[in-house]
Amino acid sequence: ELKVEQNPLFLSMQEGKNYTIYCNYSTTSDRLYWYRQDPGKSLESLFVLLSNGAVKQEGRLMASLDTKARLSTLHITAAVHDLSATYFCAVATRDTGNQFYFGTGTSLTVIP
Amino acid sequence: ETGVTQSPTHLIKTRGQQVTLRCSSQSGHNTVSWYQQALGQGPQFIFQYYREEENGRGNFPPRFSGLQFPNYSSELNVNALELDDSALYLCASSLDFRVSGTEAFFGQGTRLTVV
Repeated sequence: ELKVEQNPLFLSMQEGKNYTIYCNYSTTSDRLYWYRQDPGKSLESLFVLLSNGAVKQEGRLMASLDTKARLSTLHITAAVHDLSATYFCAVATRDTGNQFYFGTGTSLTVIP
Repeated sequence: ETGVTQSPTHLIKTRGQQVTLRCSSQSGHNTVSWYQQALGQGPQFIFQYYREEENGRGNFPPRFSGLQFPNYSSELNVNALELDDSALYLCASSLDFRVSGTEAFFGQGTRLTVV
């Protein structure tokens, strides 16, 4: 079974600082997704990464994918309080259609 | 706003009862997937429906069953509820799952509490 691991599980950072969340997965995948979840809410799509070396940026968040290392990163630049949420990566493969395997999530708290 | 709606938003049931959760997929989407998210964990895949047929199932017992209708809306049924079934149930709709990179859009979820 495809395994997805994220680290760290919990992240507390000050406003203005930079940090990176890591997502490792166990088998070959052709697509990697990042989602944001606020407490008690559903999942909001952030990024879809489809190829090795893919990099996408939206505001203070930048995601990248290294399929050879089976690693994706979500980099946070100059964090602000509004970024406080739980971030999930999810992996899907051709063999599993659009069945997503989610990571454990990273709970991010940005301290003013 | 994803265009995926789930009902009800909250539900309290007693152990042993049965429950039906509903999902209306986004217009034009023919694939619906259901996920269970226990507190503090990532979503776990339950099953997926494509054009009214089950197209993959996760590690959930047979008392979890589903349907997809001609308009691509879907139901999740859970029989003989157990306390561990308490979770947020998420529905995700997408275009043809065979298309690489197709994005999944999640509904707001149904919070099920089993007492």
